[in-house]
Amino acid sequence: SQQGEEDPQALSIQEGENATMNCSYKTSINNLQWYRQNSGRGLVHLILIRSNEREKHSGRLRVTLDTSKKSSSLLITASRAADTASYFCATDASPEGAQKLVFGQGTRLTINP
Amino acid sequence: GAVVSQHPSRVICKSGTSVKIECRSLDFQATTMFWYRQFPKKSLMLMATSNEGSKATYEQGVEKDKFLINHASLTLSTLTVTSAHPEDSSFYICSANRGFDTDTQYFGPGTRLTVL
Repeated sequence: SQQGEEDPQALSIQEGENATMNCSYKTSINNLQWYRQNSGRGLVHLILIRSNEREKHSGRLRVTLDTSKKSSSLLITASRAADTASYFCATDASPEGAQKLVFGQGTRLTINP
Repeated sequence: GAVVSQHPSRVICKSGTSVKIECRSLDFQATTMFWYRQFPKKSLMLMATSNEGSKATYEQGVEKDKFLINHASLTLSTLTVTSAHPEDSSFYICSANRGFDTDTQYFGPGTRLTVL
């Protein structure tokens, strides 16, 4: 069954505002990763957070992980039109070395200029 | 670094033909490559894990005789969709890891397959 569920499915905000996307999962994980996908393109790795970490930052991105609630959030601050894309969380719950990623359904983010 | 390419980027074929998709790691050796399938506006679903020099490991429900995977070298894995049918039309994406950086997968740009 699908590991990750994302919320919201679609989000439309004005440029400059912050965008928050959430991801929930069902089982214990090794790490959780966030990816961005522009329409019809491949995935770009944004950030990885391990199960023993609670928060990570990368530029305008902030990711949190709450293993007790089995949830993660991705915050994009000061959004730009170029941030328009689909964002996926992916969990790695596989035995060490297997690295099987299970993707959530994704959030389609639209940044309006 | 860590660039993964796919070829072709899009292919249109007739029903019943076979299509080969290549996935290459351009600037690193990939001990493991993964093949995913994505339907329009949907998530990615892992099809199989490909290890260099050994047979691929397929996910439940994926027909290994339908989707042939070969990982002949540390920089190349191929996915062949045999006797393609319209329901095989999809976006196929590969990814690779470098081995020492085992937590991160680097994704190719994807291949759009349309079977008429």
